[in-house]
Amino acid sequence: GAGVSQTPSNKVTEKGKYVELRCDPISGHTALYWYRQSLGQGPEFLIYFQGTGAADDSGLPNDRFFAVRPEGSVSTLKIQRTERGDSAVYLCASSSGTGGGFDNEQFFGPGTRLTVL
Amino acid sequence: AQKITQTQPGMFVQEKEAVTLDCTYDTSDPSYGLFWYKQPSSGEMIFLIYQGSYDQQNATEGRYSLNFQKARKSANLVISASQLGDSAMYFCAMREEGNTDKLIFGTGTRLQVFP
Repeated sequence: GAGVSQTPSNKVTEKGKYVELRCDPISGHTALYWYRQSLGQGPEFLIYFQGTGAADDSGLPNDRFFAVRPEGSVSTLKIQRTERGDSAVYLCASSSGTGGGFDNEQFFGPGTRLTVL
Repeated sequence: AQKITQTQPGMFVQEKEAVTLDCTYDTSDPSYGLFWYKQPSSGEMIFLIYQGSYDQQNATEGRYSLNFQKARKSANLVISASQLGDSAMYFCAMREEGNTDKLIFGTGTRLQVFP
């Protein structure tokens, strides 16, 4: 099992609740990305980590969304006060992130389907 | 402004035939990369092929090839000898230099291969 893994695979929660989504990247990959895919759409970028730091968080929709990667490996996406509009599939990807090469392929996990009732 | 445009919401192709999935992009950056991903019903995004803006040759990977027309800003995916297992969503994506490493995706094309 050397691929990107995400847990849980499905999460159902009630409006206003707090959720955490976890991503385990491929071992040794320094770059980690979160995307959100709404029904019928392509994935939309949320945040990008290089090591432990968020190199680009311009895609986070508002301050209810936050992500961490404290040890430069596993990352957690945290959503506070969930809203029905947050319902989507949250995808995580990782890459070797050596920089400079556009062909740094991003390997995607299976996603977490979040449903906010 | 839409950076990646996929105008075909759905395409049908008969098994063993070739099919072209369209993608146009918009960027003022001279240096960028273009990607195609396949997303089967399981939901996982599978990388298919990559084309760099400075690459002289069109990219090929097995049955996949990319028809890159830089002046027209198009990067169409050609799948030859379609197989039933090719039925899936296909997404075109772009990465721009100086825009970190994030991918910008189109809305996708659903391909259905019939016997």
